[in-house]
Amino acid sequence: EPEVTQTPSHQVTQMGQEVILRCVPISNHLYFYWYRQILGQKVEFLVSFYNNEISEKSEIFDDQFSVERPDGSNFTLKIRSTKLEDSAMYFCASRRGLLETQYFGPGTRLLVL
Amino acid sequence: TQLLEQSPQFLSIQEGENLTVYCNSSSVFSSLQWYRQEPGEGPVLLVTVVTGGEVKKLKRLTFQFGDARKDSSLHITAAQPGDTGLYLCAGLSAGNMLTFGGGTRLMVKP
Repeated sequence: EPEVTQTPSHQVTQMGQEVILRCVPISNHLYFYWYRQILGQKVEFLVSFYNNEISEKSEIFDDQFSVERPDGSNFTLKIRSTKLEDSAMYFCASRRGLLETQYFGPGTRLLVL
Repeated sequence: TQLLEQSPQFLSIQEGENLTVYCNSSSVFSSLQWYRQEPGEGPVLLVTVVTGGEVKKLKRLTFQFGDARKDSSLHITAAQPGDTGLYLCAGLSAGNMLTFGGGTRLMVKP
């Protein structure tokens, strides 16, 4: 069964460093998303991406964040200068169509020291 | 900002008991989804409800969407230890984003 994959599974970085989280959505999906979940808190929407551009973003998704679909398979989330409060699980998700099921990846656990 | 409130936050019951988890909002959603999340993993979709008043059954799990499409419930009959986990509701808004509730952590003791 096709699934969303994410790499790395864990990332530890120093405050102020740039990180890139990678996702490979399901191959025939057209809508892509990033969510984050701070330990013990809700899953929070960050950004949605369709047709090579951002379609929605939340207040969390400030200028430190960017997304890219550099080729036909990868979907990346870049945090330019990480802060301690960026420590969280980051989930990628994709769906084929707007009314279709959204499938989540296993997440990347980011720890900023 | 749309909010989804889930209750209870924690629930510990004995095997064989029934339980209901509630998901409430003041906002209308185009659909509402229930997920289950295991530690260290992403949410896994259980069901999507779309129509106001809709009821869906998944074995011992019954999901209901409120008539006004603002609230939903998950009822588990004869809970088993394998039902232990974190249950999340999430509403899909017109902006194509999912708003998650805070989750209900269920523990079913044998």
